[in-house]
Amino acid sequence: AQSVTQLGSHVSVSEGALVLLRCNYSSSVPPYLFWYVQYPNQGLQLLLKYTSAATLVKGINGFEAEFKKSETSFHLTKPSAHMSDAAEYFCAVSGRNNRLAFGKGNQVVVIP
Amino acid sequence: GAVVSQHPSRVICKSGTSVKIECRSLDFQATTMFWYRQFPKQSLMLMATSNEGSKATYEQGVEKDKFLINHASLTLSTLTVTSAHPEDSSFYICSAIATSQETQYFGPGTRLLVL
Repeated sequence: AQSVTQLGSHVSVSEGALVLLRCNYSSSVPPYLFWYVQYPNQGLQLLLKYTSAATLVKGINGFEAEFKKSETSFHLTKPSAHMSDAAEYFCAVSGRNNRLAFGKGNQVVVIP
Repeated sequence: GAVVSQHPSRVICKSGTSVKIECRSLDFQATTMFWYRQFPKQSLMLMATSNEGSKATYEQGVEKDKFLINHASLTLSTLTVTSAHPEDSSFYICSAIATSQETQYFGPGTRLLVL
């Protein structure tokens, strides 16, 4: 079985500052890891994914994440926050059956 | 590419009626589709996994007779909420995954309000 832990439901960041969202996973098999973003009343948009290739993954909108097996982590970062980054972010893990287990999400607030 | 649509985007119905939600993969064939439910300010909860041409697999605690899922083609899955009640009001999101792929692409969601 797979699970994900995202701490801190709300994350406030100043415009232009570093965005860091933490994700730790648990998986009995080599995992696939994903970060999704959700804007109000919309579905989820894929930001980036790790599927056993390069451990540093670059995604859309300037986001990137690094897979660290020793730390069972897949933290999401962006060097400089923009107002448009205000949204809900979900980390998710799946095994070979493609069933996703989501974290509880982080609501990112960008302070001008 | 990898666009998933849902229809309707929003529906209001009376208690006791049935509501059908469609999920379509527009530019790829989806052998598997997933149905999720999301309560306000919460994460997504997987309801069921739908495979084309076979019966859906429901998660524990999800009533299969209440949430009917049909995956009749490689581009369409439907979720029917039968005899809807106010507690069924929620945001329903589908996702689709292409053959031999690992990434789920999500639809825009359907907001259901049962009065």
